Amino acid sequence: KAGVTQTPRYLIKTRGQQVTLSCSPISGHRSVSWYQQTPGQGLQFLFEYFSETQRNKGNFPGRFSGRQFSNSRSEMNVSTLELGDSALYLCASSKGTNTGELFFGEGSRLTVL
Amino acid sequence: GQSLEQPSEVTAVEGAIVQINCTYQTSGFYGLSWYQQHDGGAPTFLSYNALDGLEETGRFSSFLSRSDSYGYLLLQELQMKDSASYFCAVSLSGNTPLVFGKGTRLSVIA
Repeated sequence: KAGVTQTPRYLIKTRGQQVTLSCSPISGHRSVSWYQQTPGQGLQFLFEYFSETQRNKGNFPGRFSGRQFSNSRSEMNVSTLELGDSALYLCASSKGTNTGELFFGEGSRLTVL
Repeated sequence: GQSLEQPSEVTAVEGAIVQINCTYQTSGFYGLSWYQQHDGGAPTFLSYNALDGLEETGRFSSFLSRSDSYGYLLLQELQMKDSASYFCAVSLSGNTPLVFGKGTRLSVIA
């Protein structure tokens, strides 16, 4: 079965711009989580959507937002980009139950100049 | 707050055994997961421990002690392809997101 698909894989933006990243979860998975990964910082949780509702939110500023559609696909948006937003943004899907197992996409690597 | 501690780097010889430790301080605990991530790749799930004890999956084993807030990942018969970053992650109670450690970079040398 198809894995988690994230688009775009790479993008370059300048400070002040905004960006939208897309994630298509594994078929049948209703939960989509987003993580930011930077060198040496591990994976920082951004938010989780389950059945189109934001179920959990991490400690990121309001410039970071997301949504989930009825087909479980999810998007995240970052407005007013800052240099520090340069990172790998990972999307992960799961059935939504607490089994400790997430299925990650390859990520979208954002560079802010 | 939540904190997970794991070594930043480990080096081991091909064919040997290596143990990557993870200690955690969290408000609530449901289980401990381990993930592997190769450079440029996606994190992939390795194991999950909700109960104390050792879980074995092929060359990889994972251990949990809830009373010590401690777990480890054991890799046996190391291969060059095992060179990657390994993350421990804690599931808190209920439907809460995984909290990840900062990762351990494992280098397997000949």
